[in-house]
Amino acid sequence: QVQLVQSGSELRKPGASVRVSCKASGYTFTTHTINWVRQAPGQGLEYMGWINSNTGNPTYAQDFTGRFVFSLDTSVTTAYLHINSLKAEDTAVYYCARDRRYCPGGICEPTEFDSWGQGTLVTVSS
Amino acid sequence: DIQMTQSPSSVSASVGDRVTITCRASQGISTWLAWYQQKPGKAPKLLIYAAAGLQSGVPSRFSGSGSGTDFTLTISSLQPEDFATYYCQQANRFPFTFGGGTKVEIK
Repeated sequence: QVQLVQSGSELRKPGASVRVSCKASGYTFTTHTINWVRQAPGQGLEYMGWINSNTGNPTYAQDFTGRFVFSLDTSVTTAYLHINSLKAEDTAVYYCARDRRYCPGGICEPTEFDSWGQGTLVTVSS
Repeated sequence: DIQMTQSPSSVSASVGDRVTITCRASQGISTWLAWYQQKPGKAPKLLIYAAAGLQSGVPSRFSGSGSGTDFTLTISSLQPEDFATYYCQQANRFPFTFGGGTKVEIK
């Protein structure tokens, strides 16, 4: 079955960096885009952007340009979210999510998200 | 960006009740609309795609409707496991924005 397993909780000081991993299994990794979604404590869902699992090309929502980096390692079917220069307001649960649409040619934009990682809590505090 | 507005923000209901949640888009999105259920401490779960498509494994008491700017999620007979927060999401134009959520609580 399709499964996305994320890395564990992280505690960082302001200004530091963090990497969150998202290990995919149960399907062909390169045929579905991976999306990233943020949820601050007690808040709703915020869409961060997506990465083309075939080409590795990332696309970022406006609020997530600059310090946020999406990457892939297809050899281990894993997507990564890197956050640099962490701020207290980055404290949140970060989710990876697979796009529902099957896209073997790798030129599709995401639609709906049919499988989600369990979430990774990133806490930024001095 | 397309803004998604859900109403109500919370609703109190009893087991067996019919519950309707609405979602309005700031511009037309055809039927590019999804609904998710999220329980505390858990990841969201896809319920409905393309406004009315029932995701595999989701009970038939969940249904979606609408097109353009106005959409509805209906739970025909609320079950104990349905108490959760529900989010709509537009899939028409990047960035794929979510609504603010509707919390379904026990009356």
